[in-house]
Amino acid sequence: GENVEQHPSTLSVQEGDSAVIKCTYSDSASNYFPWYKQELGKRPQLIIDIRSNVGEKKDQRIAVTLNKTAKHFSLHITETQPEDSAVYFCAASGRDSNYQLIWGAGTKLIIKP
Amino acid sequence: EAGVAQSPRYKIIEKRQSVAFWCNPISGHATLYWYQQILGQGPKLLIQFQNNGVVDDSQLPKDRFSAERLKGVDSTLKIQPAKLEDSAVYLCASSLETGSPLHFGNGTRLTVT
Repeated sequence: GENVEQHPSTLSVQEGDSAVIKCTYSDSASNYFPWYKQELGKRPQLIIDIRSNVGEKKDQRIAVTLNKTAKHFSLHITETQPEDSAVYFCAASGRDSNYQLIWGAGTKLIIKP
Repeated sequence: EAGVAQSPRYKIIEKRQSVAFWCNPISGHATLYWYQQILGQGPKLLIQFQNNGVVDDSQLPKDRFSAERLKGVDSTLKIQPAKLEDSAVYLCASSLETGSPLHFGNGTRLTVT
């Protein structure tokens, strides 16, 4: 079955710098890759997602890139701000997982003032 | 659009007691999920409903956990009897259909003492 690995587990960046979180997946049939942000004590919220027919997607300061050949996808946050501090989860799903999300372990992003 | 509603927000019980959680998904969402999130970990799927039918309950500890979604709208998750390791946040999520983005409720934080 599908397996999703996420790195790093913790990322500390200076405010204003960029942050990159990377996930790899094992099932080449996976075709949907969302990213969720979870602030302390709050629910996970979808921030961006990408499907396998697209290589990159942007939404203001957030972008996701997908490399189907290498089976990895990455979250890019530019001009980081204190409110970006949270745990970020990647996930993957596809026909072979019955379209269930297989989650990464999460990355704690710390924005240093 | 109203979000996913869950209650209660917090619950403290002693081990071997029973507890129930309630979820009302976004109107029109056919798919409903119950996740367990232990502190510091990603969400773990317990059960997935499509309308009022169970799609996947392979990770539900059926000796103590049960869930139902009568009439294909609201859902309840029950634990009986509770164990210390059941302490976690129980998240309900819904999506328009299988494979669509998930929308999470605020969760119920369960503490078993």
